[in-house]
Amino acid sequence: GQNIDQPTEMTATEGAIVQINCTYQTSGFNGLFWYQQHAGEAPTFLSYNVLDGLEEKGRFSSFLSRSKGYSYLLLKELQMKDSASYLCAVDTNAGKSTFGDGTTLTVKP
Amino acid sequence: DTEVTQTPKHLVMGMTNKKSLKCEQHMGHRAMYWYKQKAKKPPELMFVYSYEKLSINESVPSRFSPECPNSSLLNLHLHALQPEDSALYLCASSRGLAGGQLTRDTQYFGPGTRLTVL
Repeated sequence: GQNIDQPTEMTATEGAIVQINCTYQTSGFNGLFWYQQHAGEAPTFLSYNVLDGLEEKGRFSSFLSRSKGYSYLLLKELQMKDSASYLCAVDTNAGKSTFGDGTTLTVKP
Repeated sequence: DTEVTQTPKHLVMGMTNKKSLKCEQHMGHRAMYWYKQKAKKPPELMFVYSYEKLSINESVPSRFSPECPNSSLLNLHLHALQPEDSALYLCASSRGLAGGQLTRDTQYFGPGTRLTVL
């Protein structure tokens, strides 16, 4: 079966750094997605990691360790607009992604 | 153009109605997806079409019937739905096959159709 865990909620201060963790146990692994979803809107793609290591894209970075079944999304210089749900999704078979329950991030002034 | 469009935005239907959800993309993507998302829950995959052929059906009840008339369009036909089927229905697309394998590529999501079944 598939098991993907991420914290339900996190709170951080504007301008700070926050790290959202995701651990997974899946049968088969091709890569891991991070999506951002604002309330009432569709998910938007943030990153896709296949190889171990850190990938940086502006204020957002994503890390993957395949041997540990672990990923994190790092958000720097937090802005109020970063308040959203962050979804970790594991690509276990071609054409299919299994989503975690999402982490609701609240950024406070 | 990186847009996936969905119509209608909102739909209210009775349990005896027949309705259809529509999804369209003009990015040349050859893989298209239907997801169902309940409030405060992650998207759940329903169907995947690859090159206009159904490749994945996640044991979805037959009251949901997908259709892919061409590479740009994806429909979801609804009939005899239940109140628990009320949810946000998301369509997504991605590039599709490369080198014979279904690529793991970015899925672009449409804005969704908010469905309420009375």
